[in-house]
Amino acid sequence: DTGVSQNPRHKITKRGQNVTFRCDPISEHNRLYWYRQTLGQGPEFLTYFQNEAQLEKSRLLSDRFSAERPKGSFSTLEIQRTEQGDSAMYLCASSPPGLLRSSYEQYFGPGTRLTVT
Amino acid sequence: DAKTTQPNSMESNEEEPVHLPCNHSTISGTDYIHWYRQLPSQGPEYVIHGLTSNVNNRMASLAIAEDRKSSTLILHRATLRDAAVYYCILRDVRIQGAQKLVFGQGTRLTINP
Repeated sequence: DTGVSQNPRHKITKRGQNVTFRCDPISEHNRLYWYRQTLGQGPEFLTYFQNEAQLEKSRLLSDRFSAERPKGSFSTLEIQRTEQGDSAMYLCASSPPGLLRSSYEQYFGPGTRLTVT
Repeated sequence: DAKTTQPNSMESNEEEPVHLPCNHSTISGTDYIHWYRQLPSQGPEYVIHGLTSNVNNRMASLAIAEDRKSSTLILHRATLRDAAVYYCILRDVRIQGAQKLVFGQGTRLTINP
């Protein structure tokens, strides 16, 4: 059983460049979430997909951020024209469908650490 | 989202029980109480959740006050591996738009050998 995987694990980029992160959820998990975590803080919600539909977006997700989940499987998070304030850990999580007890859990990946210089 | 209040940090000794408190005085009747933990350099990990009754699983126990305005996560016998930040989160998964987890600052638990 493979858990949620994220690539790359680390990314260093220069201000103004575009970056893209990938998340592969646990197979058959139809719900996928992106969070951002800065040093010393708890994770903050960015966006949520159910299958391929993006059902919720945080106000933190500015116009420079876009997330997709084209086939309801893996997801990508792109940041355009990166700024130093975008430096953070980007976490992906998934959960199974329905209202079974297990669907209440979110399974997190290891995260992608972005450093913008 | 209903808010929770947790101590910033706690310290305990290895092989002793740990009681991590959480106050949620504005909890609604349909809010579930979730606990997640985050070990150093890892993503958060689900620990336990409950609604009204106390809950036990292989990782921990969750004791919920009768008025539901507070809860306590109990680690029965702490190990060094339990050193982490513990988050208490309220969530009603049945509400559209309530799928997200709203993390606070959590409690940083230190375990002394």
